[in-house]
Amino acid sequence: GNSVTQMEGPVTLSEEAFLTINCTYTATGYPSLFWYVQYPGEGLQLLLKATKADDKGSNKGFEATYRKETTSFHLEKGSVQVSDSAVYFCALSSTQGAQKLVFGQGTRLTINP
Amino acid sequence: SQTIHQWPATLVQPVGSPLSLECTVEGTSNPNLYWYRQAAGRGLQLLFYSVGIGQISSEVPQNLSASRPQDRQFILSSKKLLLSDSGFYLCAWTLGLAGGNEQFFGPGTRLTVL
Repeated sequence: GNSVTQMEGPVTLSEEAFLTINCTYTATGYPSLFWYVQYPGEGLQLLLKATKADDKGSNKGFEATYRKETTSFHLEKGSVQVSDSAVYFCALSSTQGAQKLVFGQGTRLTINP
Repeated sequence: SQTIHQWPATLVQPVGSPLSLECTVEGTSNPNLYWYRQAAGRGLQLLFYSVGIGQISSEVPQNLSASRPQDRQFILSSKKLLLSDSGFYLCAWTLGLAGGNEQFFGPGTRLTVL
């Protein structure tokens, strides 16, 4: 079945550091890939997405590229801010059936000033 | 624009009591609807999903149930809560492939069972 594996956290960085959160997936067919962010006490917000190989999703300075050859969708940001502190979830969605999302376990990111 | 509501925002219930959590979506028609649970410090577990009125699929056998009495209303219920039912419950919707396939989440309900 489909699965998503994220790098284990927590991750602690200083402000303006470079961020990478690794995400790899196992899926049949050609899934859509997503990164969601969850701020404390809130629901999940879609951060970015990619629907086919070599697509690059980007939003708020974050980027991720759909790499089919390595089955990866790593999240990157060149210079993080304190306000980026949150839990980040990688997810995939089958393009068939009920489009259920399969999530990674989440990575807690803390940015220190 | 579309919005999704969940209530209540927080709930504290004794073991053995019933549960009813409600989710409604505005500004769209025929959405797929989903219930997830997030245990403390963990990822998200899909509990139920629905592709139409009265159509419910269960992902995890447990003492919870779901219903969809109207197109944009999704209800999560239990007759008798267990301690292990504590968690953060999230409702989500999608228009599926036609809408880009991403799911949009509500603000969540934090349930504590004592």
